[in-house]
Amino acid sequence: GQNIDQPTEMTATEGAIVQINCTYQTSGFNGLFWYQQHAGEAPTFLSYNVLDGLEEKGRFSSFLSRSKGYSYLLLKELQMKDSASYLCAVEDSNYQLIWGAGTKLIIKP
Amino acid sequence: IAGITQAPTSQILAAGRRMTLRCTQDMRHNAMYWYRQDLGLGLRLIHYSNTAGTTGKGEVPDGYSVSRANTDDFPLTLASAVPSQTSVYFCASSVMSGAHNEQFFGPGTRLTVL
Repeated sequence: GQNIDQPTEMTATEGAIVQINCTYQTSGFNGLFWYQQHAGEAPTFLSYNVLDGLEEKGRFSSFLSRSKGYSYLLLKELQMKDSASYLCAVEDSNYQLIWGAGTKLIIKP
Repeated sequence: IAGITQAPTSQILAAGRRMTLRCTQDMRHNAMYWYRQDLGLGLRLIHYSNTAGTTGKGEVPDGYSVSRANTDDFPLTLASAVPSQTSVYFCASSVMSGAHNEQFFGPGTRLTVL
């Protein structure tokens, strides 16, 4: 079966760094997406990885290891506005996105 | 304003009633998708359309139907609503189907079936 695992909830402090992990088992792999979703709003695109390694985009970075079926999203210099759910999604062999349940990130002052 | 719109924003519906959720995009994207999002579960694909005139079934298609008469519109119909269809429904679109196609999401429709 297809499975995407990520922690349900994480708490971090404003100004700190947090790493959100995602492991996956899917039928085929064509890339991995991270989306951000604020409460009551639609998901918005953060990053895409298809090759192993780290992709950096400002305060956010995303890492992929295809051999381990593993990715993480790294958020630096946390701000209160980063409080949101972070969704990991894998593009399978049919180019459909398989979604994790999301990690709710709570930022404390 | 470019993007995706959905209507209604929210709806309370009696079980057994028919309901159509509307989705319109003005980005000229070829591919469109309908997802449902339930607490504790990831987004689940209901139906999709890779281009106007074609549709396909996703992970949870039962009880839902779609049509894609043109590029911009992708309505989702619940023929006879049941309480298990209570959910938040998101419509999304991407430039095309295939690899690395960032999906853009509408604001969602919150549906409650009683």
